[in-house]
Amino acid sequence: QQQVKQSPQSLIVQKGGISIINCAYENTAFDYFPWYQQFPGKGPALLIAIRPDVSEKKEGRFTISFNKSAKQFSLHIMDSQPGDSATYFCAASGGDYKLSFGAGTTVTVRA
Amino acid sequence: GAGVSQSPSNKVTEKGKDVELRCDPISGHTALYWYRQSLGQGLEFLIYFQGNSAPDKSGLPSDRFSAERTGGSVSTLTIQRTQQEDSAVYLCASSLAGGTSYEQYFGPGTRLTVT
Repeated sequence: QQQVKQSPQSLIVQKGGISIINCAYENTAFDYFPWYQQFPGKGPALLIAIRPDVSEKKEGRFTISFNKSAKQFSLHIMDSQPGDSATYFCAASGGDYKLSFGAGTTVTVRA
Repeated sequence: GAGVSQSPSNKVTEKGKDVELRCDPISGHTALYWYRQSLGQGLEFLIYFQGNSAPDKSGLPSDRFSAERTGGSVSTLTIQRTQQEDSAVYLCASSLAGGTSYEQYFGPGTRLTVT
């Protein structure tokens, strides 16, 4: 079964708006939570990642919020741009190399 | 090459045939991963190679799937007696070493269609 549950499946946001994608996990051994961005016809690329010792990490317009007690983490895309239109995957790993991926969220930014 | 390359980019095969998918990792990367991406689903781990260690095959869905990595570089994923449920995008990734301290770089994938 899927170890990381991601929602929503898709979202549409206006240019300049905020996109929010949520992920939840059950395995308390997970200690690494990356987000990947995938454009059509391309492989996923690491966007930003967080470890449980911090509750938030920001890189440019992208922010991860992490809630350890709730076993949830989310990606916020601020000031969304048409170039951000892509599929986003959350993932999690527990002390080794295996990544468990969410099902993905297709983000469409309307100009 | 600058990144991970995979070939072919697309493969259409008839049910029951065998297929081979190739991955060329980034030069110097000792860790190599194969994933499967089915429509509307996330990436599913298949197999992991690290240096000369025995590969982790725990994600292979059946004994029809196998993979090898020759000379610590190029890897081939083989699917025997393909079934329609094998239709998916097969992604390869490599990293400098194993573990989450090292970013996985993905290739563009091979789209496999079994008719």
